Amino acid sequence: AQSVTQPDIHITVSEGASLELRCNYSYGATPYLFWYVQSPGQGLQLLLKYFSGDTLVQGIKGFEAEFKRSQSSFNLRKPSVHWSDAAEYFCAVENQGGKLIFGQGTELSVKP
Amino acid sequence: DAGVIQSPRHEVTEMGQEVTLRCKPISGHNSLFWYRQTMMRGLELLIYFNNNVPIDDSGMPEDRFSAKMPNASFSTLKIQPSEPRDSAVYFCASSLSGIQETQYFGPGTRLLVL
Repeated sequence: AQSVTQPDIHITVSEGASLELRCNYSYGATPYLFWYVQSPGQGLQLLLKYFSGDTLVQGIKGFEAEFKRSQSSFNLRKPSVHWSDAAEYFCAVENQGGKLIFGQGTELSVKP
Repeated sequence: DAGVIQSPRHEVTEMGQEVTLRCKPISGHNSLFWYRQTMMRGLELLIYFNNNVPIDDSGMPEDRFSAKMPNASFSTLKIQPSEPRDSAVYFCASSLSGIQETQYFGPGTRLLVL
């Protein structure tokens, strides 16, 4: 069965520091992968997605993610975190039926 | 576009009452999804529609839950009777049909069943 694991429930980084959020997936076929962000009290907003091609994907708000098939990973990165990036981040894989399967989420806190 | 619209944004009700959540998808989108988010289970897909037809309702927890999509611009998720364990945030999302299409989420309805 398809699944997504986000090993880190909560991460705290200092403003201006770099960020990496981990995501591992389990999927038999070529995965379609997504990162969403959820600010408090809000719905989810798509940051970026990977379907095929270049394994380094650029998204909005300065985020990027790298697909590594050998590691079944799709980690999200940002070189310099801003206080407004504090939110919850969800990794998801889409199965062939079009269903999104989400990880449990990683809550990001940003220290001034 | 106004995005996906959900109402109400907050709902507090007593156990045993009927609850109806509403969703208006983005105009032109023909897939609609209902999700539930809880601390314990995270984000779960309850049901999704394509061209107003339910395609997969395997995530619907039990018979107390029902969803309809009478037309392309409106969907409801109903819980009857409601129970305290139904307390959660319910999200509606829409997309163009087919895989690889981005799902756009509404702001959610925060439901509390006392």
